[in-house]
Amino acid sequence: KNQVEQSPQSLIILEGKNCTLQCNYTVSPFSNLRWYKQDTGRGPVSLTIMTFSENTKSNGRYTATLDADTKQSSLHITASQLSDSASYICVVSAYGQNFVFGPGTRLSVLP
Amino acid sequence: GAVVSQHPSRVICKSGTSVKIECRSLDFQATTMFWYRQFPKQSLMLMATSNEGSKATYEQGVEKDKFLINHASLTLSTLTVTSAHPEDSSFYICSARTSGSSISSYNEQFFGPGTRLTVL
Repeated sequence: KNQVEQSPQSLIILEGKNCTLQCNYTVSPFSNLRWYKQDTGRGPVSLTIMTFSENTKSNGRYTATLDADTKQSSLHITASQLSDSASYICVVSAYGQNFVFGPGTRLSVLP
Repeated sequence: GAVVSQHPSRVICKSGTSVKIECRSLDFQATTMFWYRQFPKQSLMLMATSNEGSKATYEQGVEKDKFLINHASLTLSTLTVTSAHPEDSSFYICSARTSGSSISSYNEQFFGPGTRLTVL
């Protein structure tokens, strides 16, 4: 069964600190992996997209990694800001199939 | 960039009434649109997939007679919640995908901002 798991479920950090969110998946055949940021009451916004051959992808203070062998991905946020408070969703796509969504990690950045 | 809009952004209706939500791709043609539902503190759940000019494909457990989907053009899909009940209160999000590569080579889905439905 295609599944995406994320950890932690929620995370609280202080402004300026770094953090890393984890994603494990069992989606096959793997096509690509995306990280989305979803602000409360808004639709998801794409942060990064990685295919099988890509190990890392950066978007400003966001850096995603992918280990296709262990089927794990991480999203690292550097120098967090208050505006980073949101849910971060890992989404894996299999060839010819719809997106498989992870449950998300709810990040709260405190001043 | 690709922009998807939804209207209305929030709606409150009485139980038993019908509500229509529009999803538009503003600067690209969407051959496929997806409708998701999201309950508080949960991730998105796919309700149905619609392709322009054909009937929507509903996920298991989603009532097709209750959630009517029309994808009449390459830029517009509508979701009508018929005879709404309080348990239909949720956040409804659409996304649009283009088969062309002009916007994204990843067969990307672009999400709308969502519609908050509250049924009293």
